[in-house]
Amino acid sequence: GDSVTQTKGPVTLSEGTSLTVNCSYETKQYPTLFWYVQYPGEGPQLLFKVPKANEKGSNRGFEATYDKGTTSFHLQKASVQESDSAVYYCVLGGFGDNSKLIWGLGTSLVVNP
Amino acid sequence: EAAVTQSPRSKVAVTGGKVTLSCHQTNNHDYMYWYRQDTGHGLRLIHYSYVADSTEKGDIPDGYKASRPSQENFSLILELASLSQTAVYFCASSDGYSGNTLYFGEGSRLIVV
Repeated sequence: GDSVTQTKGPVTLSEGTSLTVNCSYETKQYPTLFWYVQYPGEGPQLLFKVPKANEKGSNRGFEATYDKGTTSFHLQKASVQESDSAVYYCVLGGFGDNSKLIWGLGTSLVVNP
Repeated sequence: EAAVTQSPRSKVAVTGGKVTLSCHQTNNHDYMYWYRQDTGHGLRLIHYSYVADSTEKGDIPDGYKASRPSQENFSLILELASLSQTAVYFCASSDGYSGNTLYFGEGSRLIVV
């Protein structure tokens, strides 16, 4: 069946260092890929989405490329800030309606000043 | 001006008691969802609805009921609360189309004692 696997957290970094959160997916369909972010005390919110293979999404300095060849959608940021501390979810969608979203387990990022 | 609001934000309930979590959206979205968040499990879909007066089971519906009396309102009902239902619950809305964004509320923290 469809599935998403992402880096198991927590990931702890110092400000100014680079971030990669791995996300791999399995599906026989043609998904839309999402990254959602959840800040402490809030609900998840969309970071960005990419509906087409080989395209890149980006927002707030984060980016990810929808790589159909390796079935990956790794989240990267060149220089993290303390305010980036949050939980990041890789999500597989585009299958009919949004009741069929496949959520990764989330990766907690802690950025120390 | 939050578009998805949940109440209560926090609740302590007694085992065997009835709990109702409420959600209100002003996005004019047809679809609404209830998710449960637990450490190690990420987000799991409990119930959803795409039209008033109708609800659908998600991935973990056992022990929960849902009610959608209007497009704007969606409730999650625990008729007999159990310890295992201690979690954070999130309501979300979307226009339902494949690949589109979910908009989440801030969550309701439920502790069953």
